[in-house]
Amino acid sequence: DTAVSQTPKYLVTQMGNDKSIKCEQNLGHDTMYWYKQDSKKFLKIMFSYNNKELIINETVPNRFSPKSPDKAHLNLHINSLELGDSAVYFCASSRIQENTGELFFGEGSRLTVL
Amino acid sequence: RKEVEQDPGPFNVPEGATVAFNCTYSNSASQSFFWYRQDCRKEPKLLMSVYSSGNEDGRFTAQLNRASQYISLLIRDSKLSDSATYLCVVNRPPGRRALTFGSGTRLQVQP
Repeated sequence: DTAVSQTPKYLVTQMGNDKSIKCEQNLGHDTMYWYKQDSKKFLKIMFSYNNKELIINETVPNRFSPKSPDKAHLNLHINSLELGDSAVYFCASSRIQENTGELFFGEGSRLTVL
Repeated sequence: RKEVEQDPGPFNVPEGATVAFNCTYSNSASQSFFWYRQDCRKEPKLLMSVYSSGNEDGRFTAQLNRASQYISLLIRDSKLSDSATYLCVVNRPPGRRALTFGSGTRLQVQP
């Protein structure tokens, strides 16, 4: 069973379009995250939710809107896509009480904006 | 100054070699430190936590120098399967939830 699954794995789209990436975790974790890894391999946190509540919101353009319908799901919607949005987007989860620093990542969604 | 800095490499070493990676972090209030491993086109995975007294896990040894804000990872007896990118990770205070990742050091172990 895949612990953190995200779909789609690959997404190719035109500038100006709107797209969504979905993420689900079956680990029973309290906290979920979206990270962006750009072409230079920097992995940057975008958002974090704890039990459906937004707890981290980095300086991300408001074209990016996360939605957490329940603590097992965290989706990412992106409006008016730009070339610079091309990256790999990783969803992750963790059990906050353990405080071990172990994030469980999904396999990533590679977004290419043309 | 970047929050977490690493030498990007690549480090090309023969099998059996010992290799060391270094990392510096900028926030002196950080309290949690980790090394993650990321294979090509895969997701990052936790390799090991880094404790103040230093810690070892098989062929891997991690050390922390709080005074210098410096973290290291030593890999002994390198295997081909160790080829990957090693990410230095530090929590960003306050709290421990937000983790800042370095850009990684690429290791290529050659036969």
